[in-house]
Amino acid sequence: AQTVTQSQPEMSVQEAETVTLSCTYDTSESDYYLFWYKQPPSRQMILVIRQEAYKQQNATENRFSVNFQKAAKSFSLKISDSQLGDAAMYFCAYRSASGGSNYKLTFGKGTLLTVNP
Amino acid sequence: SQTIHQWPATLVQPVGSPLSLECTVEGTSNPNLYWYRQAAGRGLQLLFYSVGIGQISSEVPQNLSASRPQDRQFILSSKKLLLSDSGFYLCAWNTMNREEHYGYTFGSGTRLTVV
Repeated sequence: AQTVTQSQPEMSVQEAETVTLSCTYDTSESDYYLFWYKQPPSRQMILVIRQEAYKQQNATENRFSVNFQKAAKSFSLKISDSQLGDAAMYFCAYRSASGGSNYKLTFGKGTLLTVNP
Repeated sequence: SQTIHQWPATLVQPVGSPLSLECTVEGTSNPNLYWYRQAAGRGLQLLFYSVGIGQISSEVPQNLSASRPQDRQFILSSKKLLLSDSGFYLCAWNTMNREEHYGYTFGSGTRLTVV
């Protein structure tokens, strides 16, 4: 079974600075998808960014980018120019590309990001 | 466009009372549907998932059950709530039809407090 590990339970960053959240995963599959979700205090889960394993290019969404290292099974999230609104719990998730019950996402335990003014 | 509705947003129920949480999806057909619970603002625990009408898979044995009476409707139920059922419940959907929906889209959640 796939596992997702977020080794940093909490992180903090100064406003306007850059922070990187770590995520590693364990899988024997070659084709899969990786995601970062943000959960602000409202507790609404919001998709931040998606990476397809077959794509070598790292995904970017405005101030959010990933460093996808397939061989190392690493998928870190970089937040540039951090804003107060970035403060949230961040979850890394994995999904197999195969069908059937593998539609499910496997989540890490989350990293709580604090942004200091 | 696709939307997901989850209600109620907040619920306070006495121990031993029944529970019914509802989730509906609009703008897509044959979605995969999921119920998660999140305790103490931490990790997500998958409770049930469904890949079609009447098809329910349970991830953990517990006091809860799920049903999918219609293609885009997913219901989480309990006959008698326990204190340990308190938590934040999230409904989600995804699909294999379009890559942008391979990940989950979540509902806004239900905060359940059992007293």
